[in-house]
Amino acid sequence: AQKITQTQPGMFVQEKEAVTLDCTYDTSDPSYGLFWYKQPSSGEMIFLIYQGSYDQQNATEGRYSLNFQKARKSANLVISASQLGDSAMYFCAMREGLSAYSGAGSYQLTFGKGTKLSVIP
Amino acid sequence: EAQVTQNPRYLITVTGKKLTVTCSQNMNHEYMSWYRQDPGLGLRQIYYSMNVEVTDKGDVPEGYKVSRKEKRNFPLILESPSPNQTSLYFCASSNSLRGNEQFFGPGTRLTVL
Repeated sequence: AQKITQTQPGMFVQEKEAVTLDCTYDTSDPSYGLFWYKQPSSGEMIFLIYQGSYDQQNATEGRYSLNFQKARKSANLVISASQLGDSAMYFCAMREGLSAYSGAGSYQLTFGKGTKLSVIP
Repeated sequence: EAQVTQNPRYLITVTGKKLTVTCSQNMNHEYMSWYRQDPGLGLRQIYYSMNVEVTDKGDVPEGYKVSRKEKRNFPLILESPSPNQTSLYFCASSNSLRGNEQFFGPGTRLTVL
């Protein structure tokens, strides 16, 4: 079974609108971390946001927020007020075996297949 | 400037000719990792290292070797490259297993003919 599933291969959004990129995950480990990365056409990987499984609040970073629904095992990325520069590939990723307190655990990181977001002027 | 560097950035080679892709970080990070990115498959972890002399397999280690003799360097070795190893390779490093401390290198585009 896929550990990280991104069901939207591609999405379009109008500039200044909000958009939600879906991510569901599969783990039996109680301690895990969820990440979102952006990859523009230039190729570099840019960290956007992180959510720990024990974090009480949904993570937010500027225009990015993570809609974390633990029972549903989903960690959707919400981008508010889309900009043309948001056009890129977006990857969801998970790290399991992550201690919430010490940060110890495995460095194994599993990525989804990505969603290509296109922002329309 | 804090960064992860990879060399070469682009490489075209032939089947069976041993090659090494270097990765170096200047942030004194403990954790380093190699990924390959293929269209429609996202990034898949090849190997990772939790510290000097500590390495472990990721999801797709076949055909690759790594070593971590010193903290800053984590080279990826292809002893006998094959065309199915044509891919975009990323090195990453982190001083933590969580959050935004993970830095990615710029990527190495490898073509094996």
